[in-house]
Amino acid sequence: SQTIHQWPATLVQPVGSPLSLECTVEGTSNPNLYWYRQAAGRGLQLLFYSVGIGQISSEVPQNLSASRPQDRQFILSSKKLLLSDSGFYLCAWSVERDTQYFGPGTRLTVL
Amino acid sequence: GDSVTQMEGPVTLSEEAFLTINCTYTATGYPSLFWYVQYPGEGLQLLLKATKADDKGSNKGFEATYRKETTSFHLEKGSVQVSDSAVYFCALCGAGSYQLTFGKGTKLSVIP
Repeated sequence: SQTIHQWPATLVQPVGSPLSLECTVEGTSNPNLYWYRQAAGRGLQLLFYSVGIGQISSEVPQNLSASRPQDRQFILSSKKLLLSDSGFYLCAWSVERDTQYFGPGTRLTVL
Repeated sequence: GDSVTQMEGPVTLSEEAFLTINCTYTATGYPSLFWYVQYPGEGLQLLLKATKADDKGSNKGFEATYRKETTSFHLEKGSVQVSDSAVYFCALCGAGSYQLTFGKGTKLSVIP
């Protein structure tokens, strides 16, 4: 069966510091991968998705970036965090285009 | 663009009560429709889905029917339990799209 891992589970970072969140999927090949952010009062927002290694589509312009160095690994990064980057970051995967399965999430607090 | 509207919460019910959470959508073509559930501090879990008109998705006693004529996908459960307390999200994926569009979520609290 397929499983999805995210780490770290929680993170507290100062404004202006860098960020790296990692997501890995097991038990499937060539999945579509997604990064979402859930911020208080703003619902769930798709940030990036990837249909293959090195292929990244950005849905919202901002100071975040994503990379997919391996088939089942998806990384969310920032060079300098803003207060507004605080939120709950969710990684998801799919094989079919539409049915997505979510990871446990990373709670990021920027102070 | 695509959008999902679901009833505002929070919803508080007594154990064994009947649950309905309304969800309507706007989309071109024939989207796929989903309900996800989020327990406190956790990620989203897929609860059920339907991919074409008149399909009924069901799981763990929850049901929802894809109604094209009313553009709705209401979530129902005949008898809720305390363990059903969570936030429920309605979502759609438009035809040809990779993006899920979510409603704002409905918080359900079930009291003994």
